[in-house]
Amino acid sequence: GDSVTQMEGPVTLSEEAFLTINCTYTATGYPSLFWYVQYPGEGLQLLLKATKADDKGSNKGFEATYRKETTSFHLEKGSVQVSDSAVYFCALRNQGGKLIFGQGTELSVKP
Amino acid sequence: NAGVTQTPKFQVLKTGQSMTLQCAQDMNHNSMYWYRQDPGMGLRLIYYSASEGTTDKGEVPNGYNVSRLNKREFSLRLESAAPSQTSVYFCASSDWAPTNEKLFFGSGTQLSVL
Repeated sequence: GDSVTQMEGPVTLSEEAFLTINCTYTATGYPSLFWYVQYPGEGLQLLLKATKADDKGSNKGFEATYRKETTSFHLEKGSVQVSDSAVYFCALRNQGGKLIFGQGTELSVKP
Repeated sequence: NAGVTQTPKFQVLKTGQSMTLQCAQDMNHNSMYWYRQDPGMGLRLIYYSASEGTTDKGEVPNGYNVSRLNKREFSLRLESAAPSQTSVYFCASSDWAPTNEKLFFGSGTQLSVL
């Protein structure tokens, strides 16, 4: 079945470091891909999305590119801040409309 | 604009007790969802309702029931709580419009079953 696999956390970085969180997926056809972020004590909120191959989603300095050839949607940010500390979830919406989440990656940014 | 509202925020139950988690959205969305979040397992879909009057099982429906009371409200019921149901529960909604393809989440209910 369709699935999403994320790199395991926690990921600990110093402020201003470069961030990559890997995400790969398995799905038939052309799913839509998402990154959601969950700040402590809150529900998830959409960070960015891409709906077709080679699309780049971006928001708040974060970027991810839909790579059909490698079935990947890695999240990147050039310079992280303490306020980026959160749990990040990669997700896909398949052709049947079902939304499938990865297991989440916790990011901790130290000053 | 409240978005998705869940109640209660916290609940402690004894094994065998029952309770209902309430969820309401004010965005006129057709689809509503219940997820549970457990460490290392991400979010797993319990039940969903694609539209008013319909409900369907997700990945982990055992031990739960749902009611789509109207377009706004979607409740989750635990008839006989078990320690394995200790989790954080999230309600979400969406209309999946091409220009607004995302889920809106509530702030969660932390449930402990002793």
